[in-house]
Amino acid sequence: SQKIEQNSEALNIQEGKTATLTCNYTNYSPAYLQWYRQDPGRGPVFLLLIRENEKEKRKERLKVTFDTTLKQSLFHITASQPADSATYLCALDEAGRRALTFGSGTRLQVQP
Amino acid sequence: GAGVSQTPSNKVTEKGKYVELRCDPISGHTALYWYRQSLGQGPEFLIYFQGTGAADDSGLPNDRFFAVRPEGSVSTLKIQRTERGDSAVYLCASSLTIAGGMDTQYFGPGTRLTVL
Repeated sequence: SQKIEQNSEALNIQEGKTATLTCNYTNYSPAYLQWYRQDPGRGPVFLLLIRENEKEKRKERLKVTFDTTLKQSLFHITASQPADSATYLCALDEAGRRALTFGSGTRLQVQP
Repeated sequence: GAGVSQTPSNKVTEKGKYVELRCDPISGHTALYWYRQSLGQGPEFLIYFQGTGAADDSGLPNDRFFAVRPEGSVSTLKIQRTERGDSAVYLCASSLTIAGGMDTQYFGPGTRLTVL
């Protein structure tokens, strides 16, 4: 069956360190993978999109990798700040569909 | 408005009642999506509109759920004979449609539905 897995346990790190979040998927062949941030009581906010033929994408302190052989994406936040504390969701498209399938998200807590 | 808006922000209803949830997308966005999010889970796709028509309604869980977008802008999600299991946050998103590409979806704040 199709599955998107994100670490359900919260990730706690110290301010200034690099946070790395993992998204693994099975039985999908996505053309795109996206990462969203969600704060409590709010809708998800788009952060980055990476295509299947891209290995890595960067935006300011954010970096995403996409390994279609391992079926895994890693999401990195460098020089993390307490304001980065939120839940981070990965999302895949399924071929031919515009609807996104989301993982359950990983909560990141950055300690000052 | 600047972003996607949803009303009401909270809705409490009794089992068996009918509810309507409204979404105002970003002006000019042709695509509109409805998702449902339960506590501790990611959003779950319900239905996608391209203009006025439902291009993909494969995520609607059963025939108690229905959505419309009559003028290609505002959309209403309708739930008949609500059940306690319908309790969730209902999220709406909109996007420009980019030919040949995956468009960024902009989400509203959601409507928290509680069925007692």
